[in-house]
Amino acid sequence: DADVTQTPRNRITKTGKRIMLECSQTKGHDRMYWYRQDPGLGLRLIYYSFDVKDINKGEISDGYSVSRQAQAKFSLSLESAIPNQTALYFCATSDQTEPAFFGQGTRLTVV
Amino acid sequence: SQQGEEDPQALSIQEGENATMNCSYKTSINNLQWYRQNSGRGLVHLILIRSNEREKHSGRLRVTLDTSKKSSSLLITASRAADTASYFCATGTIQGAQKLVFGQGTRLTINP
Repeated sequence: DADVTQTPRNRITKTGKRIMLECSQTKGHDRMYWYRQDPGLGLRLIYYSFDVKDINKGEISDGYSVSRQAQAKFSLSLESAIPNQTALYFCATSDQTEPAFFGQGTRLTVV
Repeated sequence: SQQGEEDPQALSIQEGENATMNCSYKTSINNLQWYRQNSGRGLVHLILIRSNEREKHSGRLRVTLDTSKKSSSLLITASRAADTASYFCATGTIQGAQKLVFGQGTRLTINP
């Protein structure tokens, strides 16, 4: 089983729809992150959480929300999807001093 | 703006040659990490170097860190076709808790 699992792997949704991307991890890490990747722009941080009661905005949080349901679960929601949210989304986990482990990504297309 | 910026944005070399990629950053860091991404896939951690280290090796990889210049380099020796990928640096900052901030990556192509 993968250390970090993202679901779904691919999703096509319509403009205005609410969509949730889910992430679960088996690493036992406290820290979880959501990133967005667009071609040529690298990874940009959307939200991050250092424990269940700690949620922080990243550099591009507008239009997104998150929920840390448990230490192992961190979900990302698009309340009303728009086409420029079409991107590859990655969840990652880390310990304080260790490198991050990434999921395989969710390819989201908003039409 | 990106904390880490890789240079060059794209690099194409022949198999067997060495590849060098650079990363510059802006703020004080706790550590710097290099990741590889094969097309459209998740990122894989390659190597982590802490702010009090100057050089680190892992197999064919050699990473250097110059905190006075706020820069790092990744050297891949004796490149192989399988090294074709995008390479990203990420910095772990000191302030507050440690969140990773990524650069835009270097696209490396190894030609057979």
